[in-house]
Amino acid sequence: SQQGEEDPQALSIQEGENATMNCSYKTSINNLQWYRQNSGRGLVHLILIRSNEREKHSGRLRVTLDTSKKSSSLLITASRAADTASYFCATGVPASGSRLTFGEGTQLTVNP
Amino acid sequence: DAGITQSPRYKITETGRQVTLMCHQTWSHSYMFWYRQDLGHGLRLIYYSAAADITDKGEVPDGYVVSRSKTENFPLTLESATRSQTSVYFCASMSSGSTDTQYFGPGTRLTVL
Repeated sequence: SQQGEEDPQALSIQEGENATMNCSYKTSINNLQWYRQNSGRGLVHLILIRSNEREKHSGRLRVTLDTSKKSSSLLITASRAADTASYFCATGVPASGSRLTFGEGTQLTVNP
Repeated sequence: DAGITQSPRYKITETGRQVTLMCHQTWSHSYMFWYRQDLGHGLRLIYYSAAADITDKGEVPDGYVVSRSKTENFPLTLESATRSQTSVYFCASMSSGSTDTQYFGPGTRLTVL
């Protein structure tokens, strides 16, 4: 079964609005990462948050991590049409070495 | 060209045929990975490699074979393709440092008829 599960599966917003996506996972983690995938392309790394961190920022991205609830959220502020993509969370767990486990993704559509 | 490349980008084959998907990276990253992504879903790990001549199974290895004789190459072979192996295949690489960031190739869309 998937370690990470994103919610919602699909999100449609207007340009300028904020987009929030959530990820829940089942076991203890070393880190949690978010990746973006544009249609027909490979995944691109956005941001990584380690298990001892609670919040990280990168440009218009804000990621939070709540290890007690085994959940993370990705906030994209002031969204743009170019943010339209699928967003995946991926978890690295202890004893898994370099492996990541990916969730099913959230499809974000930003309407101009 | 620098980066991670995959070939072919598109492949159509028939059930029972052997198919090899190529992956090449120019960063000398230690780690390389093969994932498959089925329509509308996330990625599932097929095989990965920590270094040349070191490979290990992922979540869904059955029906696949990998090798890594050189650091920069990580070919994936479907020994006898089945329709259930129709998917998009992504290769990724990662350095042995502490970044934990994986860098993905553009993918190979494989159709098995």
